[in-house]
Amino acid sequence: AQSVSQHNHHVILSEAASLELGCNYSYGGTVNLFWYVQYPGQHLQLLLKYFSGDPLVKGIKGFEAEFIKSKFSFNLRKPSVQWSDTAEYFCAVNVPYSGAGSYQLTFGKGTKLSVIP
Amino acid sequence: GAGVSQSPSNKVTEKGKDVELRCDPISGHTALYWYRQSLGQGLEFLIYFQGNSAPDKSGLPSDRFSAERTGGSVSTLTIQRTQQEDSAVYLCASSLKSSDSYEQYFGPGTRLTVT
Repeated sequence: AQSVSQHNHHVILSEAASLELGCNYSYGGTVNLFWYVQYPGQHLQLLLKYFSGDPLVKGIKGFEAEFIKSKFSFNLRKPSVQWSDTAEYFCAVNVPYSGAGSYQLTFGKGTKLSVIP
Repeated sequence: GAGVSQSPSNKVTEKGKDVELRCDPISGHTALYWYRQSLGQGLEFLIYFQGNSAPDKSGLPSDRFSAERTGGSVSTLTIQRTQQEDSAVYLCASSLKSSDSYEQYFGPGTRLTVT
């Protein structure tokens, strides 16, 4: 079964600092990759996703992520964070074309980002 | 349009009681998913429905957990004889159809506390 690791439990940054959140998955075959965000008091929202094609994907609010197949990684980046980016970020994977289990998302444990004004 | 809704938003129950959690997916979404978010375990998949049938129940942690979906719309997750370890936020998600590439839209969750 696949698994997802997020390296940082809690990241604290000042506004305008650059952000990189690590995500690694363990599965040798084709995967779809996602980053979800949960702002305080709100529900999970999709930030960006990768299915195929250009490994550099751009999402909402200036976020981007790069899929590096050889490293089994899908790190999330943002050049300059804002206070409003304070949230919890979850990396997730699903394994397509694997039958009934194709549709379940496997999530990492999440990274809390605190941005200090 | 309306998103995924869940009720109740909070539920406190005594150990040993049964609880029912409800999910209303986005209208027209044929696929529905239940997940559980708990401290230390993160987000875990429980079950997925395509229409009224559940092709994947692999995440249900025990036979105390069951779910059904009627009319291809509303779903109910039932936990019998609740235990303290069942305390968690139960999340429901729906997607346009069960496909590898369809985004899952999440509801606000039901926070279950078992005392």
